Amino acid sequence: GENVEQHPSTLSVQEGDSAVIKCTYSDSASNYFPWYKQELGKRPQLIIDIRSNVGEKKDQRIAVTLNKTAKHFSLHITETQPEDSAVYFCAAGRGKLIFGQGTTLQVKP
Amino acid sequence: DTAVSQTPKYLVTQMGNDKSIKCEQNLGHDTMYWYKQDSKKFLKIMFSYNNKELIINETVPNRFSPKSPDKAHLNLHINSLELGDSAVYFCASSRPTGKSTDTQYFGPGTRLTVL
Repeated sequence: GENVEQHPSTLSVQEGDSAVIKCTYSDSASNYFPWYKQELGKRPQLIIDIRSNVGEKKDQRIAVTLNKTAKHFSLHITETQPEDSAVYFCAAGRGKLIFGQGTTLQVKP
Repeated sequence: DTAVSQTPKYLVTQMGNDKSIKCEQNLGHDTMYWYKQDSKKFLKIMFSYNNKELIINETVPNRFSPKSPDKAHLNLHINSLELGDSAVYFCASSRPTGKSTDTQYFGPGTRLTVL
């Protein structure tokens, strides 16, 4: 069945360092790959997304790369700040989204 | 000026009871969803409606019944609540899926606790 694997499950970095979260997906029909940030007790909020006709997308300190051949995509956060601390989810799909298991990112001041 | 809203925010109830969660969106979207987020934070799709028509129905017990009176509302009714139903339930909405997939906007969530 459809599956999205996300790694690592936890990630601790020093403020100012970069953080990378990776996801792989199984359904080759997937054409949409969003990333959501969820702070404690809050709703998931979209931070960046990419579609299958694009290989890379950047928005200030956040970038996402997509390799459709290998069926994996990654989130890159540069110059991390304590307010980046949250759970990050990747998702993949076409209509229906399958979410990864989440990565708890801790940015230490 | 809330985009996707849910009520109630918290719901504490006894096993065996029946309860409903309501969701409304004012974004003009045609598609709405229900997700369950368990204690391990895993987000899993349960149902999706497009313009009041059920389009996604995952493997969910029959005790869960979604209802969409119009395209701006999607409610979730749960019969005979069980301990394992305890979770946070998120509603979400997006534009029509069709051949492309559009951004899903999530509601604030309803934390259901079954005692």
